[in-house]
Amino acid sequence: GAVVSQHPSRVICKSGTSVKIECRSLDFQATTMFWYRQFPKKSLMLMATSNEGSKATYEQGVEKDKFLINHASLTLSTLTVTSAHPEDSSFYICSAGGLAGGSADTQYFGPGTRLTVL
Amino acid sequence: AQKVTQAQTEISVVEKEDVTLDCVYETRDTTYYLFWYKQPPSGELVFLIRRNSFDEQNEISGRYSWNFQKSTSSFNFTITASQVVDSAVYFCALSPYNTDKLIFGTGTRLQVFP
Repeated sequence: GAVVSQHPSRVICKSGTSVKIECRSLDFQATTMFWYRQFPKKSLMLMATSNEGSKATYEQGVEKDKFLINHASLTLSTLTVTSAHPEDSSFYICSAGGLAGGSADTQYFGPGTRLTVL
Repeated sequence: AQKVTQAQTEISVVEKEDVTLDCVYETRDTTYYLFWYKQPPSGELVFLIRRNSFDEQNEISGRYSWNFQKSTSSFNFTITASQVVDSAVYFCALSPYNTDKLIFGTGTRLQVFP
């Protein structure tokens, strides 16, 4: 149980285009989903927290107009990188929680999406 | 401030050696949760353990064991008789009270050589 998928696993795009990444909880309903960014050999940086049916909460320094997050259902959240630039190239990881309800639920992570912007 | 420190950036061992990964955290909360995750080369983070601040019992799961010491704010992870498949980056994380957020340490890269 507690499987989270991400699609696509890799994407290469041209500068200026937008890229959508999907995160799905396959066998449970996730009240909360999280989006992280990871630079090579670095730790995970939380970008935003999304709750189903409400606006995402972004961390300080993360541009909400650039990284659009939609949490349309209890099993799907999407991250759209708008007008991508080479500096947006990174490994994006989503996680889903809410399995047990309450705070500090264990987060289950997706396999990540490697974005390369040319 | 809430913070997680993993001072060991890289550790190399030979198979069958025991290895301990250190994790020190900072928080003013009395209720909090601690986690360990494994990130193999494939990139996906694998959940290993979740521990709440009121449970200081050490835990053992197969070759893995965890030592939670509130007095020193540490939550160390030991792998006994390491195997090549244990090679990965291991992250310690803190979830403060009343939040779902995870604060990650910088990770420790473990390489186990045959």
